[in-house]
Amino acid sequence: AQTVTQSQPEMSVQEAETVTLSCTYDTSENNYYLFWYKQPPSRQMILVIRQEAYKQQNATENRFSVNFQKAAKSFSLKISDSQLGDTAMYFCAFMKMPGNTPLVFGKGTRLSVIA
Amino acid sequence: GAGVSQSPSNKVTEKGKDVELRCDPISGHTALYWYRQSLGQGLEFLIYFQGNSAPDKSGLPSDRFSAERTGGSVSTLTIQRTQQEDSAVYLCASTDSLGSYNEQFFGPGTRLTVL
Repeated sequence: AQTVTQSQPEMSVQEAETVTLSCTYDTSENNYYLFWYKQPPSRQMILVIRQEAYKQQNATENRFSVNFQKAAKSFSLKISDSQLGDTAMYFCAFMKMPGNTPLVFGKGTRLSVIA
Repeated sequence: GAGVSQSPSNKVTEKGKDVELRCDPISGHTALYWYRQSLGQGLEFLIYFQGNSAPDKSGLPSDRFSAERTGGSVSTLTIQRTQQEDSAVYLCASTDSLGSYNEQFFGPGTRLTVL
């Protein structure tokens, strides 16, 4: 069974600054996907970024990037130039390959961006 | 439709009553997932439907929980004899299955409160 651990229940960051959210996971699989989802107060889960485990290059999406360390089973999310709209719960998630299987989520990190 | 929709948005019920939660997936999506988000927890997988295959019920917490998907589209999650520990947000997601990976699109969830 896979587990995902987010050790930071809450974090805050000043607007325009950079923040890093941590995630570790445990699996015996060699190929898998990792994700970061954002959940604003509307409850709508929004995919932020995806990483395939077989890719060594870290994924980036505009201000969002990840630091994927496969051997250490670590998958952190860096948010650059934080904006007030980034305030939300952030969930790290795991999916076995091939895809289209249920996601395994961490407990989340509540991020507050302060003006 | 434009996205995954769920109804009702909020449901308050008394302990011991049965409830039905509805999910309308994105048109044409063949896979549908139900997750539960308890307070302070990440999302927990409940059940997964893929096309005409038998559903994966491995995440259902007890036999009080059941789900069906009629006509390969709308799904209903039923909780019988509700308990206070069933209070949570129930999220539905859908995806197509054309490739090895397809993004799961989430609905806004139903917040269930059992008094």
